[in-house]
Amino acid sequence: GESVGLHLPTLSVQEGDNSIINCAYSNSASDYFIWYKQESGKGPQFIIDIRSNMDKRQGQRVTVLLNKTVKHLSLQIAATQPGDSAVYFCAENPSRRDDKIIFGKGTRLHILP
Amino acid sequence: DTAVSQTPKYLVTQMGNDKSIKCEQNLGHDTMYWYKQDSKKFLKIMFSYNNKELIINETVPNRFSPKSPDKAHLNLHINSLELGDSAVYFCASSRELNTEAFFGQGTRLTVV
Repeated sequence: GESVGLHLPTLSVQEGDNSIINCAYSNSASDYFIWYKQESGKGPQFIIDIRSNMDKRQGQRVTVLLNKTVKHLSLQIAATQPGDSAVYFCAENPSRRDDKIIFGKGTRLHILP
Repeated sequence: DTAVSQTPKYLVTQMGNDKSIKCEQNLGHDTMYWYKQDSKKFLKIMFSYNNKELIINETVPNRFSPKSPDKAHLNLHINSLELGDSAVYFCASSRELNTEAFFGQGTRLTVV
């Protein structure tokens, strides 16, 4: 049978600690990046975005860092809460109209009590 | 009010059948998408429409045919369903092409 999520990287974090989720993107021409959160049984939900002319952007309890040199993106969640449990995806959006959006593989964030 | 709604939420059907999934958005967005999420949670775009024009048609079998009767609707019709079509299908919309997307709740399709 199929195994749901067993091949998904998992990050386990103590409640109250900070979480850092990493993502490597593939297309150096991508100029806009989004982090999505997907809770169980729901569709992905926008968290924060960043354009390629920035290297850092902060939201409420979340920070996204972009390193274009090594094509790396990270999402930092401060003071992780039980409600942060979800699968997190980065998405790279191309600059060309007919290029496709590419989602990363996803990371499951598991909060330890 | 649900921003992006898709129906049905669950769909169980036999191989060889034809089925449709409907999607509607009330956000006034110009762009709509269909994504497929497999059992490993991998999310892959299938189609994107902008102002009813097909922009992206990924390597999807031609058994899958999107239909956009107007900007607020993007339906997905699937012919001759196969076991490998089993997945969760997400509809999404965005104000402009390739910007922040709003996703529906997903349709879990199981082909038996």
